Amino acid sequence: DSGVTQTPKHLITATGQRVTLRCSPRSGDLSVYWYQQSLDQGLQFLIQYYNGEERAKGNILERFSAQQFPDLHSELNLSSLELGDSALYFCASSADRGRAGEGYGYTFGSGTRLTVV
Amino acid sequence: QKEVEQDPGPLSVPEGAIVSLNCTYSNSAFQYFMWYRQYSRKGPELLMYTYSSGNKEDGRFTAQVDKSSKYISLFIRDSQPSDSATYLCAMSRGGGYQKVTFGIGTKLQVIP
Repeated sequence: DSGVTQTPKHLITATGQRVTLRCSPRSGDLSVYWYQQSLDQGLQFLIQYYNGEERAKGNILERFSAQQFPDLHSELNLSSLELGDSALYFCASSADRGRAGEGYGYTFGSGTRLTVV
Repeated sequence: QKEVEQDPGPLSVPEGAIVSLNCTYSNSAFQYFMWYRQYSRKGPELLMYTYSSGNKEDGRFTAQVDKSSKYISLFIRDSQPSDSATYLCAMSRGGGYQKVTFGIGTKLQVIP
């Protein structure tokens, strides 16, 4: 167990629907990152929050949004779902005041597998 | 062209072999280089990281960075079946710039 908890583990939903993915970071970590992983694109950075505030944005679609709450858990909201949104969605957290890029690395959760049918 | 290129494999080797995994990149601003290991149905876990050019060794694993060639490598000595996983290279600019860019990952299978 990495200490980063993601729920649900699996999600199957229809096109056009909206879903919410939840992430609880490792105890003491202030930064939360969301990534999308697909077979052809690999891990794509979506968005980062640090202590409740948006810190960095990647290739996140306008149909997607996220937030980090005062208790530091984060939610990723995906709306108007399309078949192409089917992927693994990972949350990661970092322990080092947000400087994960300098080698301290991320701690990843086990992911949410989203299937859009 | 992707910022980070990595051969997705799969790569199959016999137990005990030396494994070489590689990535190339195009962004000369990258300063921090990482290798993650991802087992099936799990999230990636940090294996090693290096700063700038040079080598770093940790047990059976050696990471090499050649910034002049924009080329990084991970070597696994005496490979074991438990090393079977997908290995992702990752890199970033650092300096408070948060985004980490990942390679697509190389799937490795070590055959007993």
